[in-house]
Amino acid sequence: DVKVTQSSRYLVKRTGEKVFLECVQDMDHENMFWYRQDPGLGLRLIYFSYDVKMKEKGDIPEGYSVSREKKERFSLILESASTNQTSMYLCASSSMYEQYFGPGTRLTVT
Amino acid sequence: ILNVEQSPQSLHVQEGDSTNFTCSFPSSNFYALHWYRWETAKSPEALFVMTLNGDEKKKGRISATLNTKEGYSYLYIKGSQPEDSATYLCAFWGDYKLSFGAGTTVTVRA
Repeated sequence: DVKVTQSSRYLVKRTGEKVFLECVQDMDHENMFWYRQDPGLGLRLIYFSYDVKMKEKGDIPEGYSVSREKKERFSLILESASTNQTSMYLCASSSMYEQYFGPGTRLTVT
Repeated sequence: ILNVEQSPQSLHVQEGDSTNFTCSFPSSNFYALHWYRWETAKSPEALFVMTLNGDEKKKGRISATLNTKEGYSYLYIKGSQPEDSATYLCAFWGDYKLSFGAGTTVTVRA
């Protein structure tokens, strides 16, 4: 069974903290993605990666960075968390025709 | 940023009634259109991947059509049930990534 897991379902961090969101997939997919979802805005792409150590900016990369040291793991990093980064974060991996999503991490920055 | 629009943003349906809603997307450089169902507290689940103009896909009571020349897709729910309550997302595959619409949230009233 296809599986994408994320390290936390809920996370509360303080403004200015460095935050790591981890995502692991077991499908040997080359492509992995990080999205955030906010009410009325749908899913917006932050960063994606199509190979180990490769990364591409999505539509809203500001304030974020990513790391892909191994094929199965794609990490999203908030260098200095801010309140406007409070959101639901979804990781996904994909084959050519289908994306599989993780359960999401609801991050609150206070 | 590829412009993918969904309408309406939300709708309420009486149990047993049928409904439909739309997704519009760029008609040039079409590669694929995805539909996802996203239930509260769960990951988005793939419904359909549509690649050919005139495509019709069906999964139980849910079906979708595709018009790539004019850049729209319809999703239909026949005989709505409370378990159909969810946000339905469409996504356009282009530039090596998916661009999502904001979704249509369907609430089925018993």
